Amino acid sequence: GDSVTQMEGPVTLSEEAFLTINCTYTATGYPSLFWYVQYPGEGLQLLLKATKADDKGSNKGFEATYRKETTSFHLEKGSVQVSDSAVYFCALLEGGYNKLIFGAGTRLAVHP
Amino acid sequence: IAGITQAPTSQILAAGRRMTLRCTQDMRHNAMYWYRQDLGLGLRLIHYSNTAGTTGKGEVPDGYSVSRANTDDFPLTLASAVPSQTSVYFCASSEGASGSSGTQYFGPGTRLTVL
Repeated sequence: GDSVTQMEGPVTLSEEAFLTINCTYTATGYPSLFWYVQYPGEGLQLLLKATKADDKGSNKGFEATYRKETTSFHLEKGSVQVSDSAVYFCALLEGGYNKLIFGAGTRLAVHP
Repeated sequence: IAGITQAPTSQILAAGRRMTLRCTQDMRHNAMYWYRQDLGLGLRLIHYSNTAGTTGKGEVPDGYSVSRANTDDFPLTLASAVPSQTSVYFCASSEGASGSSGTQYFGPGTRLTVL
């Protein structure tokens, strides 16, 4: 079945460092891909998404490009802030049923 | 706009007891979902409903049941709780099912501990 694999955390960075969180997927066809973020004590919220190959999703300085050749959707940010500390989940949309398949999540801790 | 509300916020429950987690949305979304979140496993789908009156099983449905009597409410029931059901439970909704954008909106979660 469809699956999503993320790099294990925690990822610990200093403020203004460059961030990459790797995400790869296995799926039949070309699913829509998502990054969700969970801030401490809260539910998940959509960060960005891409619906077809070569699309780039972006929001709040974060970017991810849908790479069909490498089945990847890596999350990047050029300069992280303390307020970016959260758990980040990569996900894909399974088939036509609007069911999301999530990765295990990657915890990011940014220190001043 | 409240979005999605869940109740209770947290609960400690004795094994064998029955428990219903409540979820209400005010966005008039057709589809609703229940997930459990466990460390290292991400979110796993328990049950879902594509529209009022219909429900379906997700990845980990055993020990849980749901109902969808109307658009707004989607309660999750544990008929006889077991310690392995200790988890954080998230309710979510989306505008539609098949063919929709896939964006889901999440509630704040219910932290359940079964002793």
